[in-house]
Amino acid sequence: QVQLVESGGGLVKPGGSLRLSCAASGFIFSNYYMTWIRQSPGKGLEWVSYISFGGDIVYYSDSVKGRFTISRDNTRNLLLLDINSLRVDDTAVYYCAREPRYSGKFFGFDYWGQGAPVTVSP
Amino acid sequence: QFVLTQPPSVSGAPGQRVTISCTGSSSNIGAGYDVHWYQQLPGAAPRLLIYGSTNRPSGIPDRFSGSKSATSASLAITGLQAEDEADYYCQSYDRSLSGSYVFGTGTKVTVL
Repeated sequence: QVQLVESGGGLVKPGGSLRLSCAASGFIFSNYYMTWIRQSPGKGLEWVSYISFGGDIVYYSDSVKGRFTISRDNTRNLLLLDINSLRVDDTAVYYCAREPRYSGKFFGFDYWGQGAPVTVSP
Repeated sequence: QFVLTQPPSVSGAPGQRVTISCTGSSSNIGAGYDVHWYQQLPGAAPRLLIYGSTNRPSGIPDRFSGSKSATSASLAITGLQAEDEADYYCQSYDRSLSGSYVFGTGTKVTVL
């Protein structure tokens, strides 16, 4: 069955860095776009970044552009998010999600991980 | 940033029908982009409820249905059950924000 398992979250000071990982299993990883979505405590969902099948196309939300870097390793079925210059308002649960795309059309985020909590505090 | 607006809360008695609206603009829903809906139970990750504005993934009960019109979309839950008490989010794409997916503000459904 499809599984997405995030790791790497934790407590970090403002200005610090983190690397989040998402280990995928149960499907052909390279056949899917992948996405990071975050949810601040008690708040709604915010799309962060997505990456194409082979990693040649990446997009970021304006709130993280220049500080976050998404990448993937299709040989290890791994999605990564490098987060730098962390700010207090980056505190959130970070979810990785699978993104089916066929003929250029997007069909929603059909599987989600359980989330990795990131807390940024002095 | 939230460019899709949902009511903060809706409620209904068991067995009733409730609807959740998702209001966008000409740069997202009105531009023809599909709307997707997610359910988030307390303490859990979101799950896909409706994709492509009107389609249900396998395993989603037919009590859930989606529709889209002009610059808005709706999620309807018929035969409301206690287990439907959750947060619901719409999601689409916005062409005014480079490469950007957008989520709605979220709606808390309470079963009375």
